[in-house]
Amino acid sequence: GAVVSQHPSRVICKSGTSVKIECRSLDFQATTMFWYRQFPKQSLMLMATSNEGSKATYEQGVEKDKFLINHASLTLSTLTVTSAHPEDSSFYICSASAYSYTEAFFGQGTRLTVV
Amino acid sequence: QKEVEQDPGPLSVPEGAIVSLNCTYSNSAFQYFMWYRQYSRKGPELLMYTYSSGNKEDGRFTAQVDKSSKYISLFIRDSQPSDSATYLCAMRVNNAGNMLTFGGGTRLMVKP
Repeated sequence: GAVVSQHPSRVICKSGTSVKIECRSLDFQATTMFWYRQFPKQSLMLMATSNEGSKATYEQGVEKDKFLINHASLTLSTLTVTSAHPEDSSFYICSASAYSYTEAFFGQGTRLTVV
Repeated sequence: QKEVEQDPGPLSVPEGAIVSLNCTYSNSAFQYFMWYRQYSRKGPELLMYTYSSGNKEDGRFTAQVDKSSKYISLFIRDSQPSDSATYLCAMRVNNAGNMLTFGGGTRLMVKP
């Protein structure tokens, strides 16, 4: 399957700072990227969908000013958690797909801890 | 009612057992069906996908889809401790821009 690389795998930041998470498709051009949040022992919660060159579409209840998504190229999307607070601590996962693909491929996930 | 329902488990089986994981769905527009495996603190890994009713086999894994009953299953034969993970079913409609709808995931534990 296709490879999606997510970085960093783990990050600890102070409350009030911003954190950027990168998601790269290594061997294909990802026309669409998805960002998920996952709480312990729960399934993935879709936060937003981004298409290359377009503004991201956020799911209901997700603050777009807090979770900034940029999909500037066909191989890179970034999620920036702005002014992070302890309640933003979670596991964030990206996935990438292309119109020619049936399935989506996931990154390794980023565990964010805000202290 | 959620669009995709999946028994959360945990499901505990002895090594070598046959495991059956199941999902039901309510949206008849779903056309593509996938199973992902997720180890603790890792991203989901695609195991299998299918788009037609019937069975699809890959090694010890068999994916089964029954569109008339809106029911999909994943069977694992000769289960191994390394199969211990959370299994997520996912599905999408044909033109949803590849957006997936996930089940809640089933935690599987295979005891040696």
